[in-house]
Amino acid sequence: DTAVSQTPKYLVTQMGNDKSIKCEQNLGHDTMYWYKQDSKKFLKIMFSYNNKELIINETVPNRFSPKSPDKAHLNLHINSLELGDSAVYFCVSSEGTLMFYGYTFGSGTRLTVV
Amino acid sequence: AQKVTQAQTEISVVEKEDVTLDCVYETRDTTYYLFWYKQPPSGELVFLIRRNSFDEQNEISGRYSWNFQKSTSSFNFTITASQVVDSAVYFCALSALIGGGADGLTFGKGTHLIIQP
Repeated sequence: DTAVSQTPKYLVTQMGNDKSIKCEQNLGHDTMYWYKQDSKKFLKIMFSYNNKELIINETVPNRFSPKSPDKAHLNLHINSLELGDSAVYFCVSSEGTLMFYGYTFGSGTRLTVV
Repeated sequence: AQKVTQAQTEISVVEKEDVTLDCVYETRDTTYYLFWYKQPPSGELVFLIRRNSFDEQNEISGRYSWNFQKSTSSFNFTITASQVVDSAVYFCALSALIGGGADGLTFGKGTHLIIQP
């Protein structure tokens, strides 16, 4: 059983489209995050949710909208996709917001915008 | 603000050599955690180690060892007798408590390690 699963693993789409990436964790964790890894491999936090509530919202275009229907799921919806959105997106979960909890990474979703 | 610096963008060594990856961090917090992750060519992030700011003991795990020095704000990673399978991008990361809530992980830019046969 995969602890943090993301779907799809690969996503190729045209500019201007709207797409979603789904994430589910079966660890019973309270906190989930989205990280973006750009073409230079730099990893940066985008959002974090704790028990379905938004905690961190970094400087991300409002075309990106996270949705957490329950604490086991954190989906990422992206409107009007742009070339610069091409990246690998990682979903991460943690037992809670306190820093001594570890982090469990999903395997990533490679998004390519053409 | 938190910051993690991995000054070595790319390191190339011949198999069986020892190699050290440097990591320097900045944080205002006195309590924090430091991490190392490995990202092989397949793309997943593999957790290697987590160390809290109160534990300055060095750690060894097989061919891997970590040297944490608060005095220099460094958390360096050494691979002894490197192998081709160690080829990957290695990330150092920091987690600290800011404003009452976790700030997630702040990553360095990564060091691309190439082990040549």
